[in-house]
Amino acid sequence: GAGVSQSPSNKVTEKGKDVELRCDPISGHTALYWYRQSLGQGLEFLIYFQGNSAPDKSGLPSDRFSAERTGGSVSTLTIQRTQQEDSAVYLCASSRDTRGTNTIYFGEGSWLTVV
Amino acid sequence: TQLLEQSPQFLSIQEGENLTVYCNSSSVFSSLQWYRQEPGEGPVLLVTVVTGGEVKKLKRLTFQFGDARKDSSLHITAAQPGDTGLYLCAGETTDSWGKFQFGAGTQVVVTP
Repeated sequence: GAGVSQSPSNKVTEKGKDVELRCDPISGHTALYWYRQSLGQGLEFLIYFQGNSAPDKSGLPSDRFSAERTGGSVSTLTIQRTQQEDSAVYLCASSRDTRGTNTIYFGEGSWLTVV
Repeated sequence: TQLLEQSPQFLSIQEGENLTVYCNSSSVFSSLQWYRQEPGEGPVLLVTVVTGGEVKKLKRLTFQFGDARKDSSLHITAAQPGDTGLYLCAGETTDSWGKFQFGAGTQVVVTP
C-alpha cells in the first residue's frame, strides 16, 4: 500500500475486554513503531521493532500490553483486560530502518475508547 | 518527566505574524525531527536535523538545531491559516537508537 495502514480506525470496548490493534507498514520498511496519544497530548513511545525483534519494550505501560511482528511486516498491539485509562489514539509508524535520518511515516491511528 | 520540553504549549496569532516554537532537553540527540499533526491524522515529518548548529529552511519555516544538540527551534515567517496544527519535536538520543521520543507539542492557531 501507499502508506501505513491501521485497523480498526475506531474501537469502543467494554472495560475488562481484550483488544487487538493492527498495523500494516509501508512495504519494505524494516522499522515499525507504536505510540500512544491522549487527547491534545504529545506521543508516548510504546515499542519499536527492527525486523521481527523488539530491542526496546520499556515504553509498554504494563504487562497487559504486548506487541508482536511476524514476517517483518504486519504488527499487532494487544491490550488485555482494558481499563478506562487505556483510552487514546494508538499510532503506528514505519521507516526504512531505525537510522535517525530516515523519514518516519505515521498511520492515521486507531482510536480506542474503553467504557 | 518529559525528555523533550516544548514551549509554548499554545500559540494563537493573526495571519502574517511570525512565531517561534522551542524544543529543549538536557539530553544530547543524535537526530531531532519536527512534525506537524492535524486533527484526526498522524504526524507528518517536516524536517530532520543531525548536526549541531544546523539551520534548515522549508519555504517560510526555519529550523535550527542547537550547537550542543540539546535544543531546537522552529520559526514560521508570515504565518498563514494553513500553518495551523500541532507541532511536535522528536529526538533520538545517542544511547537509544531507534527510540524516538516526542515532546508534548505546541498547538498553533493562525486566524485570518
